[in-house]
Order: sequence, then structure tokens, then C-alpha cells
Amino acid sequence: EAQVTQNPRYLITVTGKKLTVTCSQNMNHEYMSWYRQDPGLGLRQIYYSMNVEATDKGDVPEGYKVSRKEKRNFPLILESPSPNQTSLYFCASSLSPSGSTDTQYFGPGTRLTVL
Amino acid sequence: AQSVSQHNHHVILSEAASLELGCNYSYGGTVNLFWYVQYPGQHLQLLLKYFSGDPLVKGIKGFEAEFIKSKFSFNLRKPSVQWSDTAEYFCAALPYNQGGKLIFGQGTELSVKP
Repeated sequence: EAQVTQNPRYLITVTGKKLTVTCSQNMNHEYMSWYRQDPGLGLRQIYYSMNVEATDKGDVPEGYKVSRKEKRNFPLILESPSPNQTSLYFCASSLSPSGSTDTQYFGPGTRLTVL
Repeated sequence: AQSVSQHNHHVILSEAASLELGCNYSYGGTVNLFWYVQYPGQHLQLLLKYFSGDPLVKGIKGFEAEFIKSKFSFNLRKPSVQWSDTAEYFCAALPYNQGGKLIFGQGTELSVKP
């Protein structure tokens, strides 16, 4: 089944404890992206990647890192999480490298709470 | 700045009522438009999309949307809602050559009473 998977789905952690949220897609998509969803704000892009080893900042990149060493994986890293990073996170992917000409497919989401 | 506005934050309807959710975007260039739905506790699912061609697009579950370029609008409609349509609906714009960034509206929560 074609899908985007994320792990973990739920995570409660404490301020400053490094964590990684994994994202994987099995559709051979070039483009991958991370969003965070907050009430009343919709979804906002954190980082995106048009290809392996090519990543760039979205609208709200502060406090996050990403890497794209393989086409299928795009992990989101929080080196020192803070309470304002408590949010619902979605990974997305699409076929074209630009991400602008195809539908983006979303993962199931990761609900992160930082105490 | 590029933005997407959804007119209603929360809509409450009875079953069989007609639905129209407003969406306006601000971007002067080429843009692709989407409606996503998020059922409680689930991830975003694509309802429908507009890339080009016929401005009236039909999606899944009886939803449709009309792109009106002159009004920068992409309103979502359904003639008769069901209780199972209770969800949050997001309008999103995908500007061309902007890093693939989907610009989302704030979302509209739809509650359908049985």
C-alpha cells in the first residue's frame, strides 16, 4: 500500500531532551516536507526537501533540523525541544521534485508534548 | 504575503442540509488549489484538487469545488451532508515555484447533527 508513515505517533518528553521523529514513504517520491499543525493556525511548513541531500527551510524552521540521506526517509530532529514545540506534526511527500505540480500526501501525524 | 483565508471557523448543520465553505487565497501567480479533510484523530486526506482546466472540480464523497480566478476563491460545496462528514476541512494553495510549500487556511470545523 502506498503510504507515508511516521513514528512515533505520540510522544511526551521533557525540555532539552533530543528527539527524532521519523518519516518514510514508499512511493519513490522526490519531494518531502514537514508541517506543524496548531489550533487556529492551520498547517505551517517547517522544512522541505526536493531531493536526496537537498533540504531547505520553510516558514517555521527555528528549533528543528532535518536530513535526507535516502530518498524514502526524511527525519525531523529536535535537538533541544521546548514547550512551544508542543504540536501535531505531519510529514508529506509528492512525486515531483519541486513539490509544486503534484498532490502532497500526508502521514498520520505525530502528536508531541514537551513538558 | 501569500495567505489562504477560510471564512468560517465552525459550521453546524443538520443532516441533508447543503454545505458551502468559503476559501480565498492571495497570490498573483500560478497556483494549484486543494481541499483536505481531517476526520477526528486521523490524518489529512485529499478531497479534491484544482490544477487547470474545468474550474468546477469534483472530489470524493460527493464534494465539489469551484475555482473563480477573478475572485481568488475556491469554495467547497456538497448538496446534502451526512453525519459522517463531521470533520475539519482545510483549504490549501500551492504556489508554483515556491519550494512546494502548501499554504493552509486556518481550517473549518464542520459538525453535522444526525
